[in-house]
Amino acid sequence: EAQVTQNPRYLITVTGKKLTVTCSQNMNHEYMSWYRQDPGLGLRQIYYSMNVEVTDKGDVPEGYKVSRKEKRNFPLILESPSPNQTSLYFCASSLKLVSTGELFFGEGSRLTVL
Amino acid sequence: AQSVSQHNHHVILSEAASLELGCNYSYGGTVNLFWYVQYPGQHLQLLLKYFSGDPLVKGIKGFEAEFIKSKFSFNLRKPSVQWSDTAEYFCAVNAPGAGSYQLTFGKGTKLSVIP
Repeated sequence: EAQVTQNPRYLITVTGKKLTVTCSQNMNHEYMSWYRQDPGLGLRQIYYSMNVEVTDKGDVPEGYKVSRKEKRNFPLILESPSPNQTSLYFCASSLKLVSTGELFFGEGSRLTVL
Repeated sequence: AQSVSQHNHHVILSEAASLELGCNYSYGGTVNLFWYVQYPGQHLQLLLKYFSGDPLVKGIKGFEAEFIKSKFSFNLRKPSVQWSDTAEYFCAVNAPGAGSYQLTFGKGTKLSVIP
């Protein structure tokens, strides 16, 4: 089954404790992206990757890191989480964003930073 | 950079009422336009998209949207809503002419359909 898988789905952590949210897709998609969703603000892009070893900042990259060492994986790293990073995070992928435009989303990861 | 505005934060309708959700974008060049839907507790799914050609595009579940270039708009419509249409709807834009690899979303419109 074609899918984007995120882990963990739910996480409560404390300020400053490094964490990683994993994202994996099995569709051989070139493009992958991370969004955060907050009430009243919609989805805001954190980072995106056009292909392996190619990443770029989105609209709200501060406090986050990413890497794309393999085509299927695109982990999101919070080196020192803070309470303002409490949010619902979505990973998404696309075969070729510019030509197809369709993003396939994961189920979301709800993060709470105390 | 492109941006998207959705005019309504929350729309409440009775079943069988007609729906129109507004979406305006800001970018002067070629754009690809999308509507995504997020049902309660679920992830986003593509509802419909416009790349070129007929400005009236039809999507799944009876939804359609009209691209009006002169108004920079891409409004979503449905003639008769059902309770199962209760969801949050997001308009999104990509500007391939600018070399953009970003899909920018609006803030969303929550639709509540009352049986």
